[in-house]
Amino acid sequence: DAGVIQSPRHEVTEMGQEVTLRCKPISGHDYLFWYRQTMMRGLELLIYFNNNVPIDDSGMPEDRFSAKMPNASFSTLKIQPSEPRDSAVYFCASSWTRSPLHFGNGTRLTVT
Amino acid sequence: KNEVEQSPQNLTAQEGEFITINCSYSVGISALHWLQQHPGGGIVSLFMLSSGKKKHGRLIATINIQEKHSSLHITASHPRDSAVYICAVGTGTASKLTFGTGTRLQVTL
Repeated sequence: DAGVIQSPRHEVTEMGQEVTLRCKPISGHDYLFWYRQTMMRGLELLIYFNNNVPIDDSGMPEDRFSAKMPNASFSTLKIQPSEPRDSAVYFCASSWTRSPLHFGNGTRLTVT
Repeated sequence: KNEVEQSPQNLTAQEGEFITINCSYSVGISALHWLQQHPGGGIVSLFMLSSGKKKHGRLIATINIQEKHSSLHITASHPRDSAVYICAVGTGTASKLTFGTGTRLQVTL
């Protein structure tokens, strides 16, 4: 298995632009998580899905952030409009129920 | 007060030393995770445990549920062990994790 695949690895964009981050979880995993990592706040859960259904989005900072999981093999995290304070590394992770997480390599987002 | 506290925040050791990283938490949990993150790199799950002790190679993780405390030990440390080690606690059936701030370990020759 190729593991959790995220794209792009790096994204540089200007303030106000729309950003879309993509994630392909490990086949068969029933949970998918989006995390954000910053120097100031460490790792934070943004949202997670179970069987493609969003379960908890309480970590999504504001309405500018949205996430979808249209099928079991794909999820997106969208920021519109982006702001400099959104600059961070965004990780996607997947797992089976009550099993360790498998993380993707992350997307480093820089908003100028 | 953070729900998950790690100590120390930074640790420098010489190759071969025995290393201990501690994690305390304040909530009821279903499992505790130890993660490893190399500089500029991804995150790897080392252990997931809910009781007792687990061992993988030179790494050992223990947990005391009553005391709400876990330790990660590295025996015969090596420079390639240099990384940030993150403790995280999960609740419920999902691996919905709350993270500690991490321990930055540097192992020198």
